[in-house]
Amino acid sequence: AQKVTQAQTEISVVEKEDVTLDCVYETRDTTYYLFWYKQPPSGELVFLIRRNSFDEQNEISGRYSWNFQKSTSSFNFTITASQVVDSAVYFCALSEDPVNNDMRFGAGTRLTVKP
Amino acid sequence: NAGVTQTPKFRILKIGQSMTLQCTQDMNHNYMYWYRQDPGMGLKLIYYSVGAGITDKGEVPNGYNVSRSTTEDFPLRLELAAPSQTSVYFCASTLAGYGTGGYEQYFGPGTRLTVT
Repeated sequence: AQKVTQAQTEISVVEKEDVTLDCVYETRDTTYYLFWYKQPPSGELVFLIRRNSFDEQNEISGRYSWNFQKSTSSFNFTITASQVVDSAVYFCALSEDPVNNDMRFGAGTRLTVKP
Repeated sequence: NAGVTQTPKFRILKIGQSMTLQCTQDMNHNYMYWYRQDPGMGLKLIYYSVGAGITDKGEVPNGYNVSRSTTEDFPLRLELAAPSQTSVYFCASTLAGYGTGGYEQYFGPGTRLTVT
């Protein structure tokens, strides 16, 4: 069965600090996909990144970077030089079923960036 | 494109009442989903559909029903509302080929439902 664990319930940092959000997943499949979504205070869900299980290359997009390590079943998300606008709940999700394409979400990490 | 739209944005129901949450997407996506998000929790899948006329249960389907008569619409029906159904409901869609996975889902703005 697929499972996603985000052990950090809440994180608070001061602006310009770097912060890493942890995501650990469980799956029996060799083919799977991992996602990160952002949910700002307004409530909508914003897609950030998708990674498939065959691509362990880390990715950087501006201040955001993702570290995928199959050996530890982790897909961590780092925000460099955090800003107040980064304050949100961040969800990690796993999809392993190519038929229905559904996702299993972690419980989320609430990030607060203080000025 | 409007993307995924949901109505209403907010609703208060009394125990035992029924209602339909509407979801429409204009991206010609074949897959559509309904999730609920309880306070401080992640999203849990209620029902999903891989195309018009095809629906299936997700992780938490009890107390809900769905139908998919068109590609665009995927309404969620609550027949006998219970306080345990107080939640935020999200509709999502994705364009995926059958048997191919890993496509990101696009979410609607959500419907906040309170049952008292």
